[in-house]
Amino acid sequence: KAGVTQTPRYLIKTRGQQVTLSCSPISGHRSVSWYQQTPGQGLQFLFEYFSETQRNKGNFPGRFSGRQFSNSRSEMNVSTLELGDSALYLCASSPLVVDTEAFFGQGTRLTVV
Amino acid sequence: KNEVEQSPQNLTAQEGEFITINCSYSVGISALHWLQQHPGGGIVSLFMLSSGKKKHGRLIATINIQEKHSSLHITASHPRDSAVYICAVALWGSQGNLIFGKGTKLSVKP
Repeated sequence: KAGVTQTPRYLIKTRGQQVTLSCSPISGHRSVSWYQQTPGQGLQFLFEYFSETQRNKGNFPGRFSGRQFSNSRSEMNVSTLELGDSALYLCASSPLVVDTEAFFGQGTRLTVV
Repeated sequence: KNEVEQSPQNLTAQEGEFITINCSYSVGISALHWLQQHPGGGIVSLFMLSSGKKKHGRLIATINIQEKHSSLHITASHPRDSAVYICAVALWGSQGNLIFGKGTKLSVKP
């Protein structure tokens, strides 16, 4: 069974640009969550989606958005990139919305210059 | 004060030693996760606990809901156990809305 796939793995963008990251969950998993990891703040929750609906959103500015498609694949978008958005972005999938193990992807490392 | 506190922040052990990493939290949770992160970034879920104790091979995780405390134990540690171990708690009603500890960097020397 294929794991969680995130694309691209690495990305370099310029300040002010926008970026879209993709996450393909494990087959059959309908819940996808996104996280940001930085050296200063550690891991922080961004969004949670289940069956194309955003269930929860972390404390991030409106420049951060996401969506989930009918096949459970998810994308997150960051507009007007800032240097501080440089981070490892991780997604995780799980079959249900509560009390199940989460399976993480390898992450997308975004560098904003 | 952070809602999830881990200790120690760094840990160096000799191969074969018994290792304990602690996690305390201050919020109401539905579950607690122990995660392992190797250099390069990928995260592996080790355990998800809502009560009691779980064991996988040389790893044991326990949780005390009343005391809001969990421990991860590694028996007979090995250099391949070297990684960052992260405790994360899931808030009620949400699988994905996790609050993370800052992690414990473990280095096991041969």
